[in-house]
Amino acid sequence: AQSVSQHNHHVILSEAASLELGCNYSYGGTVNLFWYVQYPGQHLQLLLKYFSGDPLVKGIKGFEAEFIKSKFSFNLRKPSVQWSDTAEYFCAVNAGGKLIFGQGTELSVKP
Amino acid sequence: GAGVSQSPSNKVTEKGKDVELRCDPISGHTALYWYRQSLGQGLEFLIYFQGNSAPDKSGLPSDRFSAERTGGSVSTLTIQRTQQEDSAVYLCASSTQAGSGANVLTFGAGSRLTVL
Repeated sequence: AQSVSQHNHHVILSEAASLELGCNYSYGGTVNLFWYVQYPGQHLQLLLKYFSGDPLVKGIKGFEAEFIKSKFSFNLRKPSVQWSDTAEYFCAVNAGGKLIFGQGTELSVKP
Repeated sequence: GAGVSQSPSNKVTEKGKDVELRCDPISGHTALYWYRQSLGQGLEFLIYFQGNSAPDKSGLPSDRFSAERTGGSVSTLTIQRTQQEDSAVYLCASSTQAGSGANVLTFGAGSRLTVL
């Protein structure tokens, strides 16, 4: 069965620290990969996506993610976080049409 | 409409009652999803509708859960004989299945269900 695993449940960082959130997926076919973000009190929204081509994709607000096929990973990174990045982050994989999400990582950035 | 609309936004019900949650997707979006968001459980896939194809119901947790999508637009998620463990936020999302928008989901605000 398809699955997505996010290793960090809650990450606490100070402003300007670097961020990397892990995501691994389990699916044998061609994948499309996504990171969604949910800011406090807001809807889930797309942060970035990978369909094909350059495995390093850039999203909004300075976020990027790298698709490493051999590791079944799609980790999210940001070189310098801001207090406004406090949110819950969800990795997702398109598996045969439906989107499967990980359990989410709550990021708290201290000012 | 401009976004995905869900109703009710909040529902409190007694154990054993049936509830219906409604989702009105973005006009023209052929794909519609239901997810359940519980504390510490992330986003649990429930059901996926794509055009006129048979829905993917593989995520429905029990036969008390059902969903339909009428006319390829509005969807209703029904939970029969609700249990306390059904308490969660039920999220609906829609997407186009073509081009660069494929599988890019637009989410509604959710329906928060509390079963007493």
